[in-house]
Amino acid sequence: ETGVTQTPRHLVMGMTNKKSLKCEQHLGHNAMYWYKQSAKKPLELMFVYSLEERVENNSVPSRFSPECPNSSHLFLHLHTLQPEDSALYLCASSPPGELGGYTFGSGTRLTVV
Amino acid sequence: AQKITQTQPGMFVQEKEAVTLDCTYDTSDQSYGLFWYKQPSSGEMIFLIYQGSYDEQNATEGRYSLNFQKARKSANLVISASQLGDSAMYFCAMRDPGAGSYQLTFGKGTKLSVIP
Repeated sequence: ETGVTQTPRHLVMGMTNKKSLKCEQHLGHNAMYWYKQSAKKPLELMFVYSLEERVENNSVPSRFSPECPNSSHLFLHLHTLQPEDSALYLCASSPPGELGGYTFGSGTRLTVV
Repeated sequence: AQKITQTQPGMFVQEKEAVTLDCTYDTSDQSYGLFWYKQPSSGEMIFLIYQGSYDEQNATEGRYSLNFQKARKSANLVISASQLGDSAMYFCAMRDPGAGSYQLTFGKGTKLSVIP
């Protein structure tokens, strides 16, 4: 366990389904992130939350909807996804301080059929 | 423009030997942080080592060391005495507060295979 827990580890969903990915940390970190990792591509930052406010949204399609109800929990709500959205979705958190590193979760491997 | 460049898509190393994974970066800021992460096939990103731009000494963590050459903007990872469990993807990343962002920018990674 890294201190950042992601559930589920694996998810298969149809294009018309609605599902949610969950991320939880109890490290006292004040920023949380969603990254997408597709095959043969660098990690792509999707969303950043700092102190429960979204501070960055990197042109992510609206079929991905993040939610950060408190500093320990982060969700990624998914609806009407496309097969090209199949990827590993990684959650991370970081402590206060501009040069702090990230602690990553184990990821959710999503397959859209 | 790519901020983190890892030029080696794949590397092979004999068990018990040392290996160097290359990383160059691009920033105009004086204050930044450089990181290396390991990603086994299980998917988890594991933090290995950190180097601050103002650190005069090269960072070391057990068998990992970071060869930091600031003028050349390179931050190569050296793994000594390779083990079979070192086989994984390795990512170099930079946190650049001057970019006005919280994000870590990652390179494309290097796949390391340790041969028995």
